[in-house]
Amino acid sequence: GAVVSQHPSWVICKSGTSVKIECRSLDFQATTMFWYRQFPKQSLMLMATSNEGSKATYEQGVEKDKFLINHASLTLSTLTVTSAHPEDSSFYICSGLAGGQETQYFGPGTRLLVL
Amino acid sequence: QKEVEQNSGPLSVPEGAIASLNCTYSDRVSQSFFWYRQYSGKSPELIMSIYSNGDKEDGRFTAQLNKASQYVSLLIRDSQPSDSATYLCAVNPGSNYKLTFGKGTLLTVNP
Repeated sequence: GAVVSQHPSWVICKSGTSVKIECRSLDFQATTMFWYRQFPKQSLMLMATSNEGSKATYEQGVEKDKFLINHASLTLSTLTVTSAHPEDSSFYICSGLAGGQETQYFGPGTRLLVL
Repeated sequence: QKEVEQNSGPLSVPEGAIASLNCTYSDRVSQSFFWYRQYSGKSPELIMSIYSNGDKEDGRFTAQLNKASQYVSLLIRDSQPSDSATYLCAVNPGSNYKLTFGKGTLLTVNP
């Protein structure tokens, strides 16, 4: 299957700071990338859909000014959590979708802890 | 609201047995269905996709789809302790490739 990487895998930050998470498709071009959040013992919740070269589409209830998404190339999307607060602590997972394909391939996830 | 329902479990089976995982979905126009496995603390990994009614087999795994009943299942034959994980059912209800996930079924395979 296709490989997606994420960096960093773990991040701890102070409340009020911003954190950037990178998502890369390593062996395919991801025309679309998705960003999910997963709280303990809950399923994945889609935050936004990111298409290369265009603005991200956010799901209802997700603040676009707080969760900044950039998809500048076919292999890289970034999620920046601005002014993070403890309630933003979660497991953030991206997935990539190759053009014309329907299968999403997930990155290994980034665990964020905001103190 | 589009929903995907799964029994949360835990489902416990002995090693070597068949594990049966079930999923129902609400959006009748759904066309693509996926099973992902998620180990504790890890991200989901794809097990199988299925698009047509009937069975699809891949090694020890068999996915079954019945669109009339809006039901999709995953059978795991000869279950191994390493199969112990949460199994997520995901449905693509439309053409935008977004997935709706169920809450997952926790499977425990006992040696």
